[in-house]
Amino acid sequence: EVQLLESGGGFVQPGGSLRVSCAVSGFTFSSHAMSWVRQAPGKGLEWVAGISGSGSSTYYVDSVKGRFTISRDNSKNTLYLQVNSLRGEDTAVYYCARDKLPVVGDAFDIWGQGTVVTVSS
Amino acid sequence: SYGLTQPASVSVSPGQTARITCSGDALSKQYVYWYQQRPGQAPVLVIYKDRERPSGIPERFSGSSSGTTVTLTISGVQAEDEADYYCQSSDNSSPYRFGGGTKLTVL
Repeated sequence: EVQLLESGGGFVQPGGSLRVSCAVSGFTFSSHAMSWVRQAPGKGLEWVAGISGSGSSTYYVDSVKGRFTISRDNSKNTLYLQVNSLRGEDTAVYYCARDKLPVVGDAFDIWGQGTVVTVSS
Repeated sequence: SYGLTQPASVSVSPGQTARITCSGDALSKQYVYWYQQRPGQAPVLVIYKDRERPSGIPERFSGSSSGTTVTLTISGVQAEDEADYYCQSSDNSSPYRFGGGTKLTVL
């Protein structure tokens, strides 16, 4: 069974850091680009960061460039998002999502259940 | 501009047809994908490449495209279809861009 399981969310103060992870199973991890998509409370979906299947290419939405880093370990079947310099507007459910292709830009065919990141003093 | 525009809400009675549109300048050149998100759940892909249906998605879900507007059509709407629906595409500045979402209410 194909599964994406996020972890690492939590409560953090403004300016703080966190690393969220997504452990995958049931498919060949390196054959798919992966992304993090977030959803602020009561708001819509926002793509945050993406990485190619090989890990050689990464992409970010402008609002997180320089603060967030996406990475993957294909030997451990795990996707990561290091989030630094957190702001209140980063408060959201962070979903891990699988792209149908090994390069970014297609459909997200599998989603995790999400991990909650709350930024507040 | 690269934004994707969706109506905020659509309401239909059970058994009727719901149509949700998504408009954007880039859509004449890029595929569109549609996701269903029920309350408290993760999104689910219901249409890809404008009109293709993933396995397991009911036949009542269909997609169409005309110029810079794409449409998700749900025929014979059922109570379980009540959810938020998001379109997604890509453009020159972003590999993934979501529309603002449409809340489908089944009356």
